[in-house]
Amino acid sequence: QKEVEQDPGPLSVPEGAIVSLNCTYSNSAFQYFMWYRQYSRKGPELLMYTYSSGNKEDGRFTAQVDKSSKYISLFIRDSQPSDSATYLCAMSAGSGAGSYQLTFGKGTKLSVIP
Amino acid sequence: DAGITQSPRHKVTETGTPVTLRCHQTENHRYMYWYRQDPGHGLRLIHYSYGVKDTDKGEVSDGYSVSRSKTEDFLLTLESATSSQTSVYFCAISDMGEAFFGQGTRLTVV
Repeated sequence: QKEVEQDPGPLSVPEGAIVSLNCTYSNSAFQYFMWYRQYSRKGPELLMYTYSSGNKEDGRFTAQVDKSSKYISLFIRDSQPSDSATYLCAMSAGSGAGSYQLTFGKGTKLSVIP
Repeated sequence: DAGITQSPRHKVTETGTPVTLRCHQTENHRYMYWYRQDPGHGLRLIHYSYGVKDTDKGEVSDGYSVSRSKTEDFLLTLESATSSQTSVYFCAISDMGEAFFGQGTRLTVV
């Protein structure tokens, strides 16, 4: 079993839809959770960062972490064509010299159709 | 953008030649990482550094070495490039949980 599982999609939605992206993980030591957006031929861009469990909202984006279920989600409200990208979840344990290294999901490719 | 500069941005090299990629940061972050990104594999950690002269191996370290002589610079060396090392290489920096990425180096080994 991979440490982090993410459905690769592709996911295609109409403009204005609510998008739900998810990852599951197996390592109970993970406590830092991130979502990255990556446009084609660009570097990953940090979108949302959450420590431990709970929700975090930033504009149209909401990140949720449920550590009891080992499940994290990213919601995008009022999706726009500019949201078309690959979304990567990432997480780390964050204790000790090497433990801030990130473990990534393989990414979900999202297309928002005008 | 976080202050991360990768150089070169593109490189074509021949099999068997040594190659060095550079990552330079202006953020004074403690941790620096090298990842490679390949279709079907996602981002995989090659090596990381947790301080000057403190480095360790990641998931796919064979054929790669790193050095960090200054806080701001982290070098990745392919000692004898092979075609399987054709990839996009990303440098990342962090102080704790959240990490920031450079724009990548696209390396082709022919």
